[in-house]
Amino acid sequence: KNEVEQSPQNLTAQEGEFITINCSYSVGISALHWLQQHPGGGIVSLFMLSSGKKKHGRLIATINIQEKHSSLHITASHPRDSAVYICAVITGTASKLTFGTGTRLQVTL
Amino acid sequence: DAGVIQSPRHEVTEMGQEVTLRCKPISGHNSLFWYRQTMMRGLELLIYFNNNVPIDDSGMPEDRFSAKMPNASFSTLKIQPSEPRDSAVYFCASSKDIGNQPQHFGDGTRLSIL
Repeated sequence: KNEVEQSPQNLTAQEGEFITINCSYSVGISALHWLQQHPGGGIVSLFMLSSGKKKHGRLIATINIQEKHSSLHITASHPRDSAVYICAVITGTASKLTFGTGTRLQVTL
Repeated sequence: DAGVIQSPRHEVTEMGQEVTLRCKPISGHNSLFWYRQTMMRGLELLIYFNNNVPIDDSGMPEDRFSAKMPNASFSTLKIQPSEPRDSAVYFCASSKDIGNQPQHFGDGTRLSIL
């Protein structure tokens, strides 16, 4: 069993829909990253959080440390949001990242 | 500011050849990470450095893989000899410090071993 599980693996949505991607982990963590990887392959860090909620534009990330669960929400989705979204956790005192397998999101017109 | 710079962007070579991937971290960042991404295994940490010193290389798959960071602005990942199963995208990332700091990724090197 992977230490970091994401769901769903694939997601298709229509433009404007509200999207939720989930991440569950089984280890103790000090923080959690949400990353975005576009079809061209580049990886961008969207959020790093260790508690509560963070918002940036149409993106919202939440984390519940007790339940070992995080969600990434996209409001008013747009085709340019189409990408792979990857959850990664930081374990221990170092910056070592353990990655989930990613959620492939396709937003259509 | 320039981001993390990796070279080459693409590399195609025959098995048995030596491959060297290069990374220039963001200036002022003192932690550097090498990752590998494959369809089967997703993203995996290979090795990371802090202040040019290797901290954790437990992700390096075999002795054929080696990484160096001779100074704060340059790191290499070397595969010798290369094998077809090494084909993957290799990412370098840097952060300001060890701990809970965001990591900035390079564009990756797409490596194909024939």
